[in-house]
Amino acid sequence: TQLLEQSPQFLSIQEGENLTVYCNSSSVFSSLQWYRQEPGEGPVLLVTVVTGGEVKKLKRLTFQFGDARKDSSLHITAAQPGDTGLYLCAASGNTPLVFGKGTRLSVIA
Amino acid sequence: KAGVTQTPRYLIKTRGQQVTLSCSPISGHRSVSWYQQTPGQGLQFLFEYFSETQRNKGNFPGRFSGRQFSNSRSEMNVSTLELGDSALYLCASSLPLGLGKSSYNEQFFGPGTRLTVL
Repeated sequence: TQLLEQSPQFLSIQEGENLTVYCNSSSVFSSLQWYRQEPGEGPVLLVTVVTGGEVKKLKRLTFQFGDARKDSSLHITAAQPGDTGLYLCAASGNTPLVFGKGTRLSVIA
Repeated sequence: KAGVTQTPRYLIKTRGQQVTLSCSPISGHRSVSWYQQTPGQGLQFLFEYFSETQRNKGNFPGRFSGRQFSNSRSEMNVSTLELGDSALYLCASSLPLGLGKSSYNEQFFGPGTRLTVL
């Protein structure tokens, strides 16, 4: 079973700051997904990265897949309170998905 | 397109009781997966159903079971509840690998059922 390590576990920042969260494994992924979960709701898919070295942008969010497809990062520029939530990565391309434990982000206005 | 719906949203039970949770997937999605989410363990896979057949099962005791109906709706059952079963139970639907636009097992989650066992 692939084990996904996410860091940091918790992050509290001021509105307008930049941040990066990480998802790492010793295994190679065929692809990786990022989800955001807000309190009282289920996770919502943000992006799927497939190719080593791939970079995808979603407004102020930038997702990168490592060249060796063992790690991924999510960078948020100029964080806003609406970015608050639990960010989860999941190894995909297999059944079932394996999730990391997440990074809980709090953006303070 | 309506999203994944789960009922009930909240449930309080006592130890030893049993519970049934329901999930209706997105129209056209035939694969339904169930997950247990706790603060300590995160999201853990319970089982996956496709075309009324269990396709994968996670590492949970036999007290946890599920089924899928011909309309793709799914239920999960937990018997002889324990305090440690308190969790958010999430259902997700997806297109099966290799079908449709997605071939990456992308999951579309419902809001979850918050189960509290006293």
